[in-house]
Amino acid sequence: EIVLTQSPATLSLSPGERATLSCRASQSVSSSYLAWYQQKPGQAPRLLIYGASSRATGIPDRFSGSGSGTDFTLTISRLEPEDFAVYYCQQCGYSPFTFGPGTTVDIK
Amino acid sequence: EVQLVESGGGLVQPGRSLRLSCAASGFTFNSYAMSWVRQAPGRGLEWVSTIGASGGITYYADSVKGRFTISRDNSQNTLYLQMNSLRAEDTAVYFCAKAFRGWAPFDYWGQGTLVTVSS
Repeated sequence: EIVLTQSPATLSLSPGERATLSCRASQSVSSSYLAWYQQKPGQAPRLLIYGASSRATGIPDRFSGSGSGTDFTLTISRLEPEDFAVYYCQQCGYSPFTFGPGTTVDIK
Repeated sequence: EVQLVESGGGLVQPGRSLRLSCAASGFTFNSYAMSWVRQAPGRGLEWVSTIGASGGITYYADSVKGRFTISRDNSQNTLYLQMNSLRAEDTAVYFCAKAFRGWAPFDYWGQGTLVTVSS
């Protein structure tokens, strides 16, 4: 099983600042199979990034993904008020299709 | 518009069974893998199970293997999760989700249905 670790657990930032979230895998993950989601309280998750760096439909270009092998990054270039949420990475290549524990981006 | 609507959640005693349903619309259901993902109260996302487009291939998390069964009825555009021998630790909101491509990631999600396992 591929275990995903996300850091930091919580990121406290102000609107307009840049957010950098990390996702590390216990073994190599093909870039084609790494995704990022955003979840707000009481809502279902929303797909942001697939294939490590491709934005899903309707996702603003302030969200970008990068990385390869075991280290992946989600960057939000300038935080908007609606971006404060929990972010999860997921590996999609092999069952079990595990999620990371999440990073909470909250308002400083 | 893609819609996924779960139903069947509720309060159930430990050791009992429950069947969840997910009614899908707005896309060609029999062309996509479908999954169940759960979220315990205040916790993160946990992948539970995935079924291929035709229903012939299924995957399960170790935590539910042998107790849960995923299935689909492509004629009714409906996904199911049969949950047997339920435990307190199965208490969670259960989401159904559509695969974007292949097995994952998941580009559309339902609103979730709450399953509470308690005596």
